[in-house]
Amino acid sequence: GAGVSQSPRYKVAKRGQDVALRCDPISGHVSLFWYQQALGQGPEFLTYFQNEAQLDKSGLPSDRFFAERPEGSVSTLKIQRTQQEDSAVYLCASSLDGRATYEQYFGPGTRLTVT
Amino acid sequence: GQQLNQSPQSMFIQEGEDVSMNCTSSSIFNTWLWYKQDPGEGPVLLIALYKAGELTSNGRLTAQFGITRKDSFLNISASIPSDVGIYFCAGYNTNAGKSTFGDGTTLTVKP
Repeated sequence: GAGVSQSPRYKVAKRGQDVALRCDPISGHVSLFWYQQALGQGPEFLTYFQNEAQLDKSGLPSDRFFAERPEGSVSTLKIQRTQQEDSAVYLCASSLDGRATYEQYFGPGTRLTVT
Repeated sequence: GQQLNQSPQSMFIQEGEDVSMNCTSSSIFNTWLWYKQDPGEGPVLLIALYKAGELTSNGRLTAQFGITRKDSFLNISASIPSDVGIYFCAGYNTNAGKSTFGDGTTLTVKP
């Protein structure tokens, strides 16, 4: 099906390495969200794009986290100098209409483990 | 920031039993959402509630938006094994443009 896809599904990084996580939203979806989900917790908002514009990045935990969506479709979440507390599942979600952004379709997530 | 308290944290029930879980917040939301997450997958939206007092059903699922706009509950009737998973509530405010999630209720259904 043409759902949200994320890659890689699993990533193991040594502490201090940089990682890049990719999200392919549903074709034509205007809005794209990144969430961080720690073990045993609900997803926590990181950042939001409407087309290529990053409208909200208030949830990014530090300046080591950076997200981009240069052409308004695929998005990349980059984490520099990874720390152990960055270990989590990173979920991407997209929605068709920027005004109804609660109708989000989630990808399967990327499980990041920092050793 | 906004916090959602979801309870119970986990439930173990027999197939065929009814289930009830709820979510409370210290803040008002103008939309309440219920999601289900299976292992290794992202959350899937089950029900969306748009106004205080609203009661909405989706098959065996029924959810209500509390009158105070600070709480919601989800009921599952006649549970079946495929209901197993983690159920999340989320509150959404249009002006904030983002959802705040609870920490989930893990449901186990014994055949």
